[in-house]
Amino acid sequence: KNEVEQSPQNLTAQEGEFITINCSYSVGISALHWLQQHPGGGIVSLFMLSSGKKKHGRLIATINIQEKHSSLHITASHPRDSAVYICAVDNTDKLIFGTGTRLQVFP
Amino acid sequence: DAGITQSPRHKVTETGTPVTLRCHQTENHRYMYWYRQDPGHGLRLIHYSYGVKDTDKGEVSDGYSVSRSKTEDFLLTLESATSSQTSVYFCAISSNRDGYTFGSGTRLTVV
Repeated sequence: KNEVEQSPQNLTAQEGEFITINCSYSVGISALHWLQQHPGGGIVSLFMLSSGKKKHGRLIATINIQEKHSSLHITASHPRDSAVYICAVDNTDKLIFGTGTRLQVFP
Repeated sequence: DAGITQSPRHKVTETGTPVTLRCHQTENHRYMYWYRQDPGHGLRLIHYSYGVKDTDKGEVSDGYSVSRSKTEDFLLTLESATSSQTSVYFCAISSNRDGYTFGSGTRLTVV
């Protein structure tokens, strides 16, 4: 069993839909990160969380430390949100990565 | 991101040749990392550094070495490149305040 599990693996949506991507982990962490990677592109850090909730534009990230679970929400999704979203946890100064969620948003 | 640059961006090399990839940062962060990204495996840690001359192995370190003689530079060397090392390589830096910043990646093809 992977130490960081993401669901779903693939997700398609119509423009404007509300998107949720989930991440569960089984190790102790100092922080959790949500990353975004566009096809053929670099990796961008969206959020770093150690508790609670953060919001940036249409993106919201939450974490429940007791349940070892985090969610990434995208409100009013847009085709430019199409990318792979990766959850990663900080464990002893190293990141452990989930396998990513591939999101496609159609007009 | 201007704080971290990787070079080269693309490289094609022959099996058996040595290859060095460079990661340069301007943020003065203590921690630097080298990852490889392959289909079906996601990102995997090769080596990391927690200071000048302080490095440690990651989960896929065989066939790779690293050096960090200055805070700003972290070099990844493939001693004798093999086709299994064809991959996209990402460097990253981190700090407690800023989290992780990734370089743009180096696409390496070993033929």
